[in-house]
Order: sequence, then C-alpha cells, then structure tokens
Amino acid sequence: GAVVSQHPSRVICKSGTSVKIECRSLDFQATTMFWYRQFPKQSLMLMATSNEGSKATYEQGVEKDKFLINHASLTLSTLTVTSAHPEDSSFYICSATLAGITDTQYFGPGTRLTVL
Amino acid sequence: RKEVEQDPGPFNVPEGATVAFNCTYSNSASQSFFWYRQDCRKEPKLLMSVYSSGNEDGRFTAQLNRASQYISLLIRDSKLSDSATYLCVVSRGGSYIPTFGRGTSLIVHP
Repeated sequence: GAVVSQHPSRVICKSGTSVKIECRSLDFQATTMFWYRQFPKQSLMLMATSNEGSKATYEQGVEKDKFLINHASLTLSTLTVTSAHPEDSSFYICSATLAGITDTQYFGPGTRLTVL
Repeated sequence: RKEVEQDPGPFNVPEGATVAFNCTYSNSASQSFFWYRQDCRKEPKLLMSVYSSGNEDGRFTAQLNRASQYISLLIRDSKLSDSATYLCVVSRGGSYIPTFGRGTSLIVHP
C-alpha cells in the first residue's frame, strides 16, 4: 500500500517552455503532499507544502509564480514549472502523507527535468 | 548551524562489518525523526522511524538522544545491498514539515 506515482519520469524541454508534473497517490487519500527538488549530490530541498483544496505554502526563496502548485483532489497534486530555464534542471520529487498520519511520507519515483 | 547535519562520508566498509551514522539537529522542539534510504537517481524510501525508546528492525537499529539532539543508525552485518545514501529526516519544531539532511553515503564492498 501507500504507492505514489509521478508523471512524467523524465522530460527534456526547451528554455522558456512550461512543464507540468503530476503526483498521484494511488491507493490512499493524501491530504498533504510535498514537493522537493534535488540537485546532484545535494539533499532534498523542500519547495512547498500542498494541502488539498487550499493554496500551497512555499518555502523561503521559492518563487510561487514560477512553480505553480495545484492540489485539486485528495489523490492528485501538480507542479508546473513555468518558463523553464537551464538552472531549473533538477530531480523533482513529490511525497504524500496519509490522511490523519501526518509525519510519514511516501515518495513518488521522481521526475528528472532537463531544460536545454 | 544547519537544521540537520550529517557526515556525507563515504563510509567504505567490508561485508559483514558494523557501521554507525549520526545525525544532529538544531531544533529542540522537533518531534518526528526518520531514516530514509536513497539509491542513486531514485526516490527516498523509508527505512525506519526513530522513537525515544529506540527502534530495531532486523540488522538496523535507530536511536534518539534528545539531550544531545542527535539520532543514530546502526547497521550490523553489512550487505552489499546496503550500499546507498542514508538520509536523516527531522520534523521542524511544532510541525510535521520535514527537513532532510544531506545524507551519508555507505559503500559496502566484498
């Protein structure tokens, strides 16, 4: 149980385009989802916390207009990287917590974004 | 001081060895502690939670020392398949928002 999927797993795009990444909890309802970014040999950096039906809470230094997060249902959150640039190339990972059990996270497999 | 600090390693050990990692955290109000394992270019996977009373799961033992603000992970009888990066995760004080350490790299060789 507690499976989280992400789509796409890998994306290559041109600079200036927007990329949408989906995060789904497949067999449970996730009231909270987290979005992380990980650069090579670095730790996971929390970008934002997404709660179903409300606006996401962004970490300091993360541009909310550039990284649009939508958590429209208890099983789906999306991250849109708008006007992507090469420095946005990274490994984007989402995680979800079980409703009522807020401190254990289940991670999606990640999306590797390369912006040319 | 960083919120969560880990020695990045790598720890290079032979099969069968016992190895221990520590992780220090700065916020004394933190309530939740975990160890995750991350393989190269993969997502993190929960290894175990860390409780005040300690937690043991097979060859893995995790402990929490609130007074000194660190958690530890002990791996006994290391296997080749234990080679990975071990991430320490600590919740922020007063919330469940997680903070990840940079990770400790373990390499188990034959």
